[in-house]
Formats: sequence, structure tokens, C-alpha cells
Amino acid sequence: NAGVTQTPKFQVLKTGQSMTLQCAQDMNHEYMSWYRQDPGMGLRLIHYSVGAGITDQGEVPNGYNVSRSTTEDFPLRLLSAAPSQTSVYFCASSGMRRESDEQFFGPGTRLTVL
Amino acid sequence: RKEVEQDPGPFNVPEGATVAFNCTYSNSASQSFFWYRQDCRKEPKLLMSVYSSGNEDGRFTAQLNRASQYISLLIRDSKLSDSATYLCVVPETGGYNKLIFGAGTRLAVHP
Repeated sequence: NAGVTQTPKFQVLKTGQSMTLQCAQDMNHEYMSWYRQDPGMGLRLIHYSVGAGITDQGEVPNGYNVSRSTTEDFPLRLLSAAPSQTSVYFCASSGMRRESDEQFFGPGTRLTVL
Repeated sequence: RKEVEQDPGPFNVPEGATVAFNCTYSNSASQSFFWYRQDCRKEPKLLMSVYSSGNEDGRFTAQLNRASQYISLLIRDSKLSDSATYLCVVPETGGYNKLIFGAGTRLAVHP
């Protein structure tokens, strides 16, 4: 099992550009989510999905879109990049038997917006 | 008040020391709690889960005080390899697996 994979590992964008961060998991997990991590702050939830075709907003969804067409993949799209979106982005997945199911994180994407 | 608060540290301790971190949470309905470990420039990984009053795993002990709404993590006989950031995590009640993270406490163990 590869677990949770994310691409790219690093990305530099100019303000106004768009891009998609890829996330995939091979554990057949229903729940997938995207977080951003900024210095001095905890991870903050951007969007999450409880299954294919179902997505919802988290704490900081503005400027981001997601879709979940398959169980395995959960891409995060930046519509028009802004310097405030400079951050480390983590994708995570878990089962949903109970709220205490362990969440597995991908290695992260480090994004810089100039 | 933040939903999950931690002392950011850093805690600088010598090898072999015992160190404890505290975490306070605001949602009194929370039933389960977690400590995740995050190494520098890496992803968080689950260290311990806490469902009742506490949990122990080798050198690590997590304790829960529901009345005061805090969770603690005790590390005994610290190793150099324990150097990391420790994240206190509380699930959002009724929110599937939505997690609320503290900002983390940084631990540096020196020889």
C-alpha cells in the first residue's frame, strides 16, 4: 500500500494562476480531507468528502474547489492563486466507522504564491 | 477562546528527562482525543488516542481531565528521536472525522 500520495511536493505560482493539487489513497477510505498548515497555527480544514460525489466545506474554503469522482482521488483546485494561499497543504484519509478512526496524511505540498 | 490550545514551546530538555505537555479544549461534548506527532517538514502521524481517562504506550502516557477540559502528554526517559512537534487533536462532535488541531508544542531533546 502506498497510503496517501500527493503531487507535486513543491510548487511556485504567480498571483492569479490556477492549479490542481493531486491526492490519492489506496486504502479504500470513505473520508478524505484537505488541510493547510501555516506557521504558528494548527492545521485548518479546507474541504472534506465522505464519499464519491459528496463534498463539503471546512473552516477555510474560500479560493479552493474540490471534487470526488472516485473513492481514491480527491484533487484540490486553486482557482486564482493569491499570496495568502502560500502554505503547506496536507491531504488526509480515514475510514468512517467511528469518529476516532485514525487519519492518514500525505507527505504534503509546499506551495508558494508570488 | 481557541477550540484547542497548546503551549507552543519550545521545550528544550536533556536526554532522559521527563517532559509533559498540556492541551485545553473548549468543546465539553468531545469524547475522544488524539496526540499526533509531526517531524520537521513531514506529515502528522498518530501517536496516541485517548478515549477514557487516559492511555499508556511505553514511555508515553496521555491523560484526560474532562472536568477541567484538558489533555496531557507525558514523555518519560526522553530520547533524541522524540524531538518533534506534538499536536493535540480533538474531533468535531457530530462532524464525521473532522478534526480540530492545536498549533502544536515543539520538543527539542539534546544530548
